[in-house]
Amino acid sequence: GAVVSQHPSWVICKSGTSVKIECRSLDFQATTMFWYRQFPKQSLMLMATSNEGSKATYEQGVEKDKFLINHASLTLSTLTVTSAHPEDSSFYICSALRGLAEAYEQYFGPGTRLTVT
Amino acid sequence: GENVEQHPSTLSVQEGDSAVIKCTYSDSASNYFPWYKQELGKRPQLIIDIRSNVGEKKDQRIAVTLNKTAKHFSLHITETQPEDSAVYFCAASNGDSSASKIIFGSGTRLSIRP
Repeated sequence: GAVVSQHPSWVICKSGTSVKIECRSLDFQATTMFWYRQFPKQSLMLMATSNEGSKATYEQGVEKDKFLINHASLTLSTLTVTSAHPEDSSFYICSALRGLAEAYEQYFGPGTRLTVT
Repeated sequence: GENVEQHPSTLSVQEGDSAVIKCTYSDSASNYFPWYKQELGKRPQLIIDIRSNVGEKKDQRIAVTLNKTAKHFSLHITETQPEDSAVYFCAASNGDSSASKIIFGSGTRLSIRP
């Protein structure tokens, strides 16, 4: 089956610093990837749609200047949390869209747990 | 945009009994309805999905039903086992589009009592 990886799996950073999270589709090309954020005991909230070769599309309420997304290749999207604050501590999950014969399916990465101290 | 509502938020059933989780969606363009199981600290795992050209789908102890007219879909787990304990999310999407973002419901924490 399709495999999506994320790196790092967990990271601790100090308030005010920036953190980059990578999402890779290992065995298929993905023109579209998605970034989600999940707070404890809550659902996955879509943050943005990452499009290869173009600007990301952000959901309402998500600050595009704070959460920088770069989809530079068909297998890699990155999310950079800039000037991180403790309230940015969360579980960040990416997914990659794979086109099949009849439709599209999403494959999720294992997630990155970010803790901002 | 799409809005998915899910209930109940928590569900406790006796081992061997059935569990039912219900969801509604708002966007009539949605035609793909996956269900995910998520264990603590892990990625969501797709357990079953249904597309709008089908009213029901079954895979062993798990079944999903879809009522397009009412914009309702439900997950049924029969003969529940302890390993079924987890958080379950329903979701809705336009599965035919390359921009088909998945919108999740709020989740149901299922506990199986021994």
